[in-house]
Amino acid sequence: DAEITQSPRHKITETGRQVTLACHQTWNHNNMFWYRQDLGHGLRLIHYSYGVQDTNKGEVSDGYSVSRSNTEDLPLTLESAASSQTSVYFCASSESGGTGELFFGEGSRLTVL
Amino acid sequence: DQQVKQNSPSLSVQEGRISILNCDYTNSMFDYFLWYKKYPAEGPTFLISISSIKDKNEDGRFTVFLNKSAKHLSLHIVPSQPGDSAVYFCAASEYSGNTPLVFGKGTRLSVIA
Repeated sequence: DAEITQSPRHKITETGRQVTLACHQTWNHNNMFWYRQDLGHGLRLIHYSYGVQDTNKGEVSDGYSVSRSNTEDLPLTLESAASSQTSVYFCASSESGGTGELFFGEGSRLTVL
Repeated sequence: DQQVKQNSPSLSVQEGRISILNCDYTNSMFDYFLWYKKYPAEGPTFLISISSIKDKNEDGRFTVFLNKSAKHLSLHIVPSQPGDSAVYFCAASEYSGNTPLVFGKGTRLSVIA
């Protein structure tokens, strides 16, 4: 069965460290997204990609970067982790030209101390 | 400025009764709306959607109503079951799903047996 997997599921890091969260999907979807979920804010879009070599900034992109070198993967990098980036991160994918329905991974909980 | 608003952070309903979750939006360009359900420690999962050319869509116990003039949609769950206890997110997009989904803050539904 096709799926979308995130790793690590839990991570604790220190302020100032670089962190990369991995996202791998086997749906063969062109569209991939990163959201963060915080209490009182719901799900907010960080970055997204509509295909290989394409990346776009979302609502809360400061301090984050992504790269898309193949269809299956969209890693999210925190260049210098800050306590404000403590959150649960969700990767998602969708079909091109579809209805926009997203298929989500199970999430990565990041704690920045 | 929040484009998708879920003004009730929580809702408690007796098992067997109707649950009504509400969502308002401000962007008149939104033309596709979705509801997602989220259990703790899991990723959101798609529940039901509606296009702006319709005012109602039904799937089993779940019905979504769209009032375009009021920029309001609602999700009805009848009858409510304890397994429906989760956080429900309303989401919207432009161009029939070809822009990233914008999510509300979510409503936590508790169905009491």
